[in-house]
Amino acid sequence: DAKTTQPTSMDCAEGRAANLPCNHSTISGNEYVYWYRQIHSQGPQYIIHGLKNNETNEMASLIITEDRKSSTLILPHATLRDTAVYYCIVRTDFGNEKLTFGTGTRLTIIP
Amino acid sequence: KAGVTQTPRYLIKTRGQQVTLSCSPISGHRSVSWYQQTPGQGLQFLFEYFSETQRNKGNFPGRFSGRQFSNSRSEMNVSTLELGDSALYLCASSLGLGRYEQYFGPGTRLTVT
Repeated sequence: DAKTTQPTSMDCAEGRAANLPCNHSTISGNEYVYWYRQIHSQGPQYIIHGLKNNETNEMASLIITEDRKSSTLILPHATLRDTAVYYCIVRTDFGNEKLTFGTGTRLTIIP
Repeated sequence: KAGVTQTPRYLIKTRGQQVTLSCSPISGHRSVSWYQQTPGQGLQFLFEYFSETQRNKGNFPGRFSGRQFSNSRSEMNVSTLELGDSALYLCASSLGLGRYEQYFGPGTRLTVT
């Protein structure tokens, strides 16, 4: 079973920051938070991951709360191409831990 | 660097037949995972291979099998196809096991009639 809870859907205006929340209240100390997205009919795309510190890359920023029970993915300037289903996943860094996808958040960018 | 490639992209089979899907990982990646995606069940993990050995397996019947070759390319096979096997089959590669990000291919759309 997925270890995360995400809103089913969200809308965001084009050009604004999209903030996608994720709850992972049972996360353990050795579990990382990963974000992937899936644009319609394509394979999922890796976005970013982190353990406890905030992370930023060319696609997004990941803010993890101090207690690590929740996180927020931030797309700073959303474009229409960011319309997708966004998955928040927690997993350890052990070799045999699989990626478990939940239902994700369907983000729609409004022109 | 070329991405993950999957062949064929689309496939139509009849119930009872078998099918083999192929995945070529990103150059240098040694781990390959397979997923099934359906509207009802979402994305579900099938299995993961690393160094030609299956390292992890999801909750699928034995009709679903796979293998990995020495060049890290992987194949999955589904025997005795059922209508419920109609799905998008996704392959993902990563540098290795553990907390490496996975890069997904475009998938193979399998339709069973």
